[in-house]
Amino acid sequence: KQEVTQIPAALSVPEGENLVLNCSFTDSAIYNLQWFRQDPGKGLTSLLLIQSSQREQTSGRLNASLDKSSGRSTLYIAASQPGDSATYLCAGGATNKLIFGTGTLLAVQP
Amino acid sequence: DGGITQSPKYLFRKEGQNVTLSCEQNLNHDAMYWYRQDPGQGLRLIYYSQIVNDFQKGDIAEGYSVSREKKESFPLTVTSAQKNPTAFYLCASSIAQGARDTGELFFGEGSRLTVL
Repeated sequence: KQEVTQIPAALSVPEGENLVLNCSFTDSAIYNLQWFRQDPGKGLTSLLLIQSSQREQTSGRLNASLDKSSGRSTLYIAASQPGDSATYLCAGGATNKLIFGTGTLLAVQP
Repeated sequence: DGGITQSPKYLFRKEGQNVTLSCEQNLNHDAMYWYRQDPGQGLRLIYYSQIVNDFQKGDIAEGYSVSREKKESFPLTVTSAQKNPTAFYLCASSIAQGARDTGELFFGEGSRLTVL
């Protein structure tokens, strides 16, 4: 059974710092991997999708990579801002559904 | 604006009552999903549908029912058989890419159900 783990569970950094969020999965047979952002009491906002044939994706200050052989994905956030404060979720896609991690709660201090 | 609309945003239910959560999308997506979110846990899949008039159980389908009569709509009924229904419910949709690939999922704003 696929399980997705996110480390750390919570992270507090000063504004301007670069940071890395980690996601690991037990079954390397995932087909794609998606990173989301969730603000308190809100739905999920898609940040990046790494397709099966890809190893990384970039959008603005965000970069996500996927290494299926090691069962890991990382989300890199450059020059963090207070507006980046949210919960970040990764999800691995396999057989028509996404399996979610429990998320990393990020606080960026001004 | 294209997107996914969930209603109601907040819902209170007495024990023993069935309630239906609405999910409508105008993205022309084939696939739709219902997830449940509880504090400290990842999102868990309740039901999903890849095509009209067809749907499959997810990991926690007991006590829930769905229908998919229209491409745009995928309502979820929380029945009295669901033992712990208080949760945040999230609907999503995607362009189904095939047998394995979910494609990129897009989510609605969620519905918070509280059982009194």
